[in-house]
This record gives sequence, C-alpha cells and structure tokens, in this order.
Amino acid sequence: DAMVIQNPRYQVTQFGKPVTLSCSQTLNHNVMYWYQQKSSQAPKLLFHYYDKDFNNEADTPDNFQSRRPNTSFCFLDIRSPGLGDAAMYLCATSSGQEASYLGGDTQYFGPGTRLTVL
Amino acid sequence: GQNIDQPTEMTATEGAIVQINCTYQTSGFNGLFWYQQHAGEAPTFLSYNVLDGLEEKGRFSSFLSRSKGYSYLLLKELQMKDSASYLCAVLDSNYQLIWGAGTKLIIKP
Repeated sequence: DAMVIQNPRYQVTQFGKPVTLSCSQTLNHNVMYWYQQKSSQAPKLLFHYYDKDFNNEADTPDNFQSRRPNTSFCFLDIRSPGLGDAAMYLCATSSGQEASYLGGDTQYFGPGTRLTVL
Repeated sequence: GQNIDQPTEMTATEGAIVQINCTYQTSGFNGLFWYQQHAGEAPTFLSYNVLDGLEEKGRFSSFLSRSKGYSYLLLKELQMKDSASYLCAVLDSNYQLIWGAGTKLIIKP
C-alpha cells in the first residue's frame, strides 16, 4: 500500500542534543511537509518542499532545518532541542496538483513522531 | 488575518447524530478539508468540499456554503470509535492549508 512512513514513532532526547526525524513516502508525491503539533492545538507548518524547492515558514525558528535528498525522503533536524520543542512532529505529502475539482491538494499524513525533551 | 473557528469540544451519545460546525475567514478559497485525529495519532483525511452543497460519504457528510464561509461535518449512527478530534482546514489562495484547532468529540454510551 502507498503510504507515508515516519521513524522513529517515539524519540527521547536531552536538552540541547541534536535530533533527526525521518519521513519517507511511496506515493510519489511532489510536495512534502513538516508540521509541529502540540496538545489540543492545530498543526503548525514548519516548512515544505515542492520537489526540491524549499519553502520555510516565516516564524519557523532557525533551530529547525530540513533536507530532502530525493523524492521519497525528507528529514527534520532539530539542532538544539529545547523543552518547548517537545511535540508531535507530523510529516505529510500531497501531489502538488492544483486541480481543485479533482480533490484539491489533499495532504496525507504519516503516523507522526512524538518527541520528548528531557 | 486568516481564521478558522470551530467548537473546542462536543459530547454526543452512541447511535445519535452530531454536527460539527466550522466558520472561516481566509485570503481566497481553494477548498475545505475535514480530518479526523485520534489522540496521539496523525490526522486522517475525511472529506474535501470546494463547491457549495452536501457531500455524503457513508456515515459522514460534509456541507459547504462559500458565501457564508461556513461548513459542517455531520456524523450519523455514532460509534464509540468516532471519539476523536475533528479538524477543519481551508486551502487559501496561495494553496496554503489553514488549520482550525479542532473539535474534540466525546461519545458516551
């Protein structure tokens, strides 16, 4: 089955210790997104790639970086995690086609990585 | 600014019907999505509306009125497994997805 996969599902790190979260997709979608979601809040978009074109949200801290080495994989690097970075990190993909009447640009999510910072 | 409003929490009884409302003010409109999110899990896609009217998909239906900036998700024959948060999201003119904070739906036996 085509899907979005995130590893690990649970990640524990220490304050200030770099961590990398990974996402892969078999949907062959052009667009990949990274969201941060805290409890009872809406997902917050950190950045997205349209193919290799990187788009950073204006309020995404410099502490967060991303890499997309190929169509299938995308990584989220948190250079110096703080206690406030503890959250669920969601990867999503979409086709990138703007044909709204065919279903818009529906985003499909991976299962998420729950990050704990000690 | 862009804004999506939906109730924080709703309670309903197993077997009943519940309607979750969503109002939006966004810069442009390219469709509205409803996602279901169980606690500790990722959102899963439920529905997409871009034209006015009702879209029915089994026990779930979604309605859109673009002139009123309004949508609702209707859940029929509620089951305990429907206990989850329901997120409304609008695709704006830049094809950015603007998210509501979600409505936590509690189903009681």
